[in-house]
Amino acid sequence: KAGVTQTPRYLIKTRGQQVTLSCSPISGHRSVSWYQQTPGQGLQFLFEYFSETQRNKGNFPGRFSGRQFSNSRSEMNVSTLELGDSALYLCASSPGGTDTQYFGPGTRLTVL
Amino acid sequence: AQSVTQPDIHITVSEGASLELRCNYSYGATPYLFWYVQSPGQGLQLLLKYFSGDTLVQGIKGFEAEFKRSQSSFNLRKPSVHWSDAAEYFCAVSGRGSTLGRLYFGRGTQLTVWP
Repeated sequence: KAGVTQTPRYLIKTRGQQVTLSCSPISGHRSVSWYQQTPGQGLQFLFEYFSETQRNKGNFPGRFSGRQFSNSRSEMNVSTLELGDSALYLCASSPGGTDTQYFGPGTRLTVL
Repeated sequence: AQSVTQPDIHITVSEGASLELRCNYSYGATPYLFWYVQSPGQGLQLLLKYFSGDTLVQGIKGFEAEFKRSQSSFNLRKPSVHWSDAAEYFCAVSGRGSTLGRLYFGRGTQLTVWP
């Protein structure tokens, strides 16, 4: 089976812009989770979607949002970008959410 | 509250030496436990996991980990380290209920391997 794919792999934006990141899970997986990784804060959970519904959400401002489509693909959106949003954004999929999560390669976002 | 502690930020070992990376967790119920490895600029690769049963679990690349409930620990071990093992290692915990679909990670341990 193909692994988790994320697009784009690299992104450069300026403050105030918005960005959309995409994640395609492993075939058959219905749960997609998103994480932000920074040197200062480590790996932090953003949110998790299962069957197009957000089931769990981390402690991030409302500028961070996501959605999941009927084919389980997921997108996350960050509006009004700030310098501190520069990070590696990782998406992970699992069959049902309580199972093992398999990670994609990440999207490296740089905000200038 | 759920949390994971990896006490060692950076560990250096010689190639061929044994390795133990420490992980302690705080979790209200019986947790699911994981070790992931990350190479620079890459995503996380699963090394091994513990859900239930035998407390000594085997993973890929010759790694193993032991779950000790009494010590709330899940330490990762390898008998003989290879230069290609140099990477960052993350311990993580998850479960059911309110933490569904969410992994709690430690801050990671950076492993350097000397030739």
